[in-house]
Amino acid sequence: GIQVEQSPPDLILQEGANSTLRCNFSDSVNNLQWFHQNPWGQLINLFYIPSGTKQNGRLSATTVATERYSLLYISSSQTTDSGVYFCAVQNQAGTALIFGKGTTLSVSS
Amino acid sequence: GAGVSQTPSNKVTEKGKYVELRCDPISGHTALYWYRQSLGQGPEFLIYFQGTGAADDSGLPNDRFFAVRPEGSVSTLKIQRTERGDSAVYLCASSLGQEETQYFGPGTRLLVL
Repeated sequence: GIQVEQSPPDLILQEGANSTLRCNFSDSVNNLQWFHQNPWGQLINLFYIPSGTKQNGRLSATTVATERYSLLYISSSQTTDSGVYFCAVQNQAGTALIFGKGTTLSVSS
Repeated sequence: GAGVSQTPSNKVTEKGKYVELRCDPISGHTALYWYRQSLGQGPEFLIYFQGTGAADDSGLPNDRFFAVRPEGSVSTLKIQRTERGDSAVYLCASSLGQEETQYFGPGTRLLVL
């Protein structure tokens, strides 16, 4: 099955700093999503981005499908950005998301 | 509008007992998914429904786990003879159709003593 690897596993930032999170996947995909899991466990949709670039406020994402990776950019980080960021890609059958192990982000003031 | 809701939010049970976890998807979403998340891990797929039928149940760990969606809306995940290893957060998601954006509920935290 498809393998999803995220890096770095942990990231510690000062408020205001920028960061880049990476997601590598082992096969071509039709669906890729980025999520933020907040400290209460809720998975929040950030982007649906099987290819191309999208921006939403301080967050943006780019997926290069031909090279099988996606990047999530966080600019001017805030303490509320803390949590775990997951990349997930759809399996070949199109029936399930396969998640990476996540990047745990801690932003301090 | 209303998102995906799950009940109960927490469930504590004893080893060997039977539990039911409920998921209310976003209205109009035909696709529904169950995932399980253990501490420090990403969610892992359990089962996918398209309408009333289980189109992919390959993620169910064994025959103690079963899920239904009789009217194509609400779904119930059923676990028989619970074991301590079943302790996890059970997440439900729904999407408008297959291969579209999945929206997750808040999860049910199951603890088997």
